[in-house]
Order: sequence, then C-alpha cells, then structure tokens
Amino acid sequence: DGGITQSPKYLFRKEGQNVTLSCEQNLNHDAMYWYRQDPGQGLRLIYYSQIVNDFQKGDIAEGYSVSREKKESFPLTVTSAQKNPTAFYLCASSSPGTMVGYTFGSGTRLTVV
Amino acid sequence: AQSVTQPDIHITVSEGASLELRCNYSYGATPYLFWYVQSPGQGLQLLLKYFSGDTLVQGIKGFEAEFKRSQSSFNLRKPSVHWSDAAEYFCAVGAGEYGNKLVFGAGTILRVKS
Repeated sequence: DGGITQSPKYLFRKEGQNVTLSCEQNLNHDAMYWYRQDPGQGLRLIYYSQIVNDFQKGDIAEGYSVSREKKESFPLTVTSAQKNPTAFYLCASSSPGTMVGYTFGSGTRLTVV
Repeated sequence: AQSVTQPDIHITVSEGASLELRCNYSYGATPYLFWYVQSPGQGLQLLLKYFSGDTLVQGIKGFEAEFKRSQSSFNLRKPSVHWSDAAEYFCAVGAGEYGNKLVFGAGTILRVKS
C-alpha cells in the first residue's frame, strides 16, 4: 500500500547536535511538507517542496534545513541553531492539481536531553 | 494571508450526543477547506474536504461539515458521538493553486464521556 513513512518514531538529541528526520513516500506525490506541532499551537509549516531540487521556507524555517534530491524523499535536519527543538514533527505529501489534500506520516517525536 | 480559528480548545460530550466543532477561516478567494483528525502520537487523517458545489459535505466515520460563506465558517458535525471519536480535530484552509499550501487551526480536543 502507498503511504508516507517517517523514521524514527522517537528521537533523542543532546544539545548542540544536529539530527536528521527521515520522510519517504511512495505515493508518487510531487509536493512534500514538514510541519512542527506543539500543544495548543496547531501545525506550523517549516519547509515545503513542490518539485525535486527545489524547496521553500515556511513560517518557522530558522534552525532547520532540508533537501529534495529524490521525489520520494524529503529529509529534515534540525540543527543546533534551533533553540527549542523538542516537538512532534509531521511530514506530509500531496499531488498538486488533484485536490485531495495532504497525506500525513505518523510523525517523529524529538526530545532534547 | 489566510488564517483559521478554532474557538474551542477542548470539548466534552457524552457518548451518543451530537457534536459540532467550530471553524472560522480568513481567506480572500474561494477557500479550499479541510477537516483532519489526529489520535495521540499519530499523524493526521483526512475526514472531509470542500472545494466547490454542495455546501454540505459528507466525510468518513459519519462526519459532515457545512460551508457557510457569509459566516466564513466550516463547522464539523456528527449526529451521535462514539467513544472512539475522542481525538484532536484540525480545520485547515488551503491557498494557492488547488489549495496546496494548508494553514491549520490550533485544534480542538474532543473528550467523550460514557
């Protein structure tokens, strides 16, 4: 079955370290997105990519970086510059023009220790 | 810029009672509107969506929503709530071509009491 896979489900990071969250989809979707979720704040857009080798900053991109070298993959790196990285991170994908909305992965919970 | 307001942070209903979750949006053009549901520690699942046409849309799990342009609202309803409906619900508005860039509300946590 097609879907989005995020890994790992839980991730612990020491302060000052970079960490990369994986997001892979086999839905043949062109667009992919990263959201951060904090209690009571809904989902905030970090980065999005409409096509391979191109991506745009969302509302809270500072301290994060992404790459889109393959259509299927959109990894997110949380850098040491992100001051408050503990959160739940959600990856999503969509097929522009089909009006079906987003398909979400099951998320990665990142905790800084 | 588009925005979404979900006025209720928490709602508690009795099992079998009816449910209405409120959503108000701000967007200059014809909106693409969505409702998603999230169980704890999980991703979001699409309940229903509105793009055009009939303003009352049916979704999965017995949910429906009504688009009211004059009130800039897209409220989610269910006639009889089941304990398994306890979750967090997000309303979203899409901008851009085919609404491909979604903006989400802060969410409403639904608790169901037996």
